[in-house]
Amino acid sequence: GAGVSQTPSNKVTEKGKYVELRCDPISGHTALYWYRQSLGQGPEFLIYFQGTGAADDSGLPNDRFFAVRPEGSVSTLKIQRTERGDSAVYLCASSLGQAGDEQYFGPGTRLTVT
Amino acid sequence: GQQVMQIPQYQHVQEGEDFTTYCNSSTTLSNIQWYKQRPGGHPVFLIQLVKSGEVKKQKRLTFQFGEAKKNSSLHITATQTTDVGTYFCAGPVSWGQNFVFGPGTRLSVLP
Repeated sequence: GAGVSQTPSNKVTEKGKYVELRCDPISGHTALYWYRQSLGQGPEFLIYFQGTGAADDSGLPNDRFFAVRPEGSVSTLKIQRTERGDSAVYLCASSLGQAGDEQYFGPGTRLTVT
Repeated sequence: GQQVMQIPQYQHVQEGEDFTTYCNSSTTLSNIQWYKQRPGGHPVFLIQLVKSGEVKKQKRLTFQFGEAKKNSSLHITATQTTDVGTYFCAGPVSWGQNFVFGPGTRLSVLP
């Protein structure tokens, strides 16, 4: 079956611009996570959705970052006024239901802010 | 805040040698998960451990969860070049519903 997909695979933007990153989870998965991964480091938690609601957004670094999941499936991570420090691979993962279930990761979006 | 550490950061082994990576949490974990990330790829789930002292095996891989549920280990017997990648442990934070990943151990296997 289809796995988690993310678009775009690569995004290059100028400092100060707005970007949207999309995640299509596995069908039927109610839990969705966003992570950020810098080179040589582990995934850094950003936000966790259970259905349509953000159950835990404690990992969002500041108010420039926002994520939505309006219908409980596709999610969009939005970054305003991008900074060079936002450059990283943004990973999306979904899981069947409970917060502790196995997570299935997408291929990621590599964001480069110039 | 809660921290998850892993050692070593890097490990270079000759093919056929064994490999072990250790994961330590600053707080007790309800469960721990292990993931593998190949170079240029994304993390792939390997296993979840839940019980204190639990040991699970997957072919050449042996996973352990400490008695105090604050540490875990992954041991690979007779490494192969297909084992190359970074191994991450991850555990749920105590105050929320998110996961904290360790920094990973990068394994290189020389043929």
